[in-house]
Parts: sequence; structure tokens; C-alpha cells
Amino acid sequence: AQSVSQHNHHVILSEAASLELGCNYSYGGTVNLFWYVQYPGQHLQLLLKYFSGDPLVKGIKGFEAEFIKSKFSFNLRKPSVQWSDTAEYFCAALNTGGFKTIFGAGTRLFVKA
Amino acid sequence: DAEITQSPRHKITETGRQVTLACHQTWNHNNMFWYRQDLGHGLRLIHYSYGVQDTNKGEVSDGYSVSRSNTEDLPLTLESAASSQTSVYFCASSDRVTGELFFGEGSRLTVL
Repeated sequence: AQSVSQHNHHVILSEAASLELGCNYSYGGTVNLFWYVQYPGQHLQLLLKYFSGDPLVKGIKGFEAEFIKSKFSFNLRKPSVQWSDTAEYFCAALNTGGFKTIFGAGTRLFVKA
Repeated sequence: DAEITQSPRHKITETGRQVTLACHQTWNHNNMFWYRQDLGHGLRLIHYSYGVQDTNKGEVSDGYSVSRSNTEDLPLTLESAASSQTSVYFCASSDRVTGELFFGEGSRLTVL
């Protein structure tokens, strides 16, 4: 069955610490991969996406993610987090040519000022 | 700017009542979705539509229905609300080429 799993449900970091959030997907065929972010009290918005080409993709606010096909992974990274990065982060996958996006359970990040 | 609007943003209702959550998008997207968000479960797909007159069940469709009479709207109806349906509901539409989802602000429903 198609699924997306995120390794950490809750992460607490101090400002300037580095961030890496794990994401693995289980899909047959080619997939499009996404990270969405939900800031407190807001709706989800796209952080970054991977369709093809360079496996290292850069998104907004200094975030990046690396697609490793052999590991079925799409981990999110940021070298130095800020208090304003406090949010919930969702990894998601979509079969190329499909229309149903599958989400992971989400990771709640809290950044201490 | 194109957007998705949901209403109501907050609703409290009683068990057994019928509730309809509205979703209106101006992206002109054919694909529209309803998700519910619950702690520890992420977003789970309730129903989706690929176009006018098309509706499909998602992974948690029991107790919910949708209709699609035009491109812009996909209302979600809870036929007989249950306490287990207390949740935050998000409507979304997607770009046909990339699959990127665009979300509404969410509707928080409490069933007492």
C-alpha cells in the first residue's frame, strides 16, 4: 500500500541549531514529493517540491530537501533554524500522473528562542 | 489572487445533526479534495473530485458525502454528525500538471 512515514512526531530545537526531518515513502513507480508547512493557526502551504532532475531541491525560507531514490527518502533540512520556523511539517507523495496525495503524520517543530 | 475559501471557519453542532462545510476555489482547478486533520494522523483524505459531476471516496469517507455541480465548489456534508467527526477539515485543490495542493484556511468542527 502507498504510504508516507515521518520519523519524528515532535522535535524541539534551540535557535541556530540544524534541522533534519526524516521522510520515507512507499510507492510503486515515479513519484512527486512535497514538504508542506503549517504555521500555528494557519493553513498548509507548500515549502518545496521534487519532480525530477537535481535531487537536492531548495524551498522557501532556507529549507532544502534531498531525494534519495535508493532509500525511498526525502528528508528536509535547514542549517540554522529560527524561532519563526516553529510549525508542523508534512511530507507528502503523489504518483506521477495520479491525483491523490498521501501525507505523513506530520512533525511538530518547536524552536526555542 | 486565486484562493480557496471555506465556511464556516468554526462550528459547534450536536450529535445527529446534518452539517455542511462549504469550499469555494477560484484557481479553476479540476481536482478538489477534502481532508481531515487529527493529531497523530496527519491529513486523511475524505473525498475527492476530478471534475464536475465526479466524486470519489477517500480513506475515511464513512459518514461524509460531497457533490460537485460546478468547477468552483465542493461542499462536504456530514449526514448525521458523530463525536468522532470532531476535527479540523481542510479543502484543497490541485494543479493538474504538478499536483501541488492549495489549501483553504480550514474549518474547525466540534460535535457535542
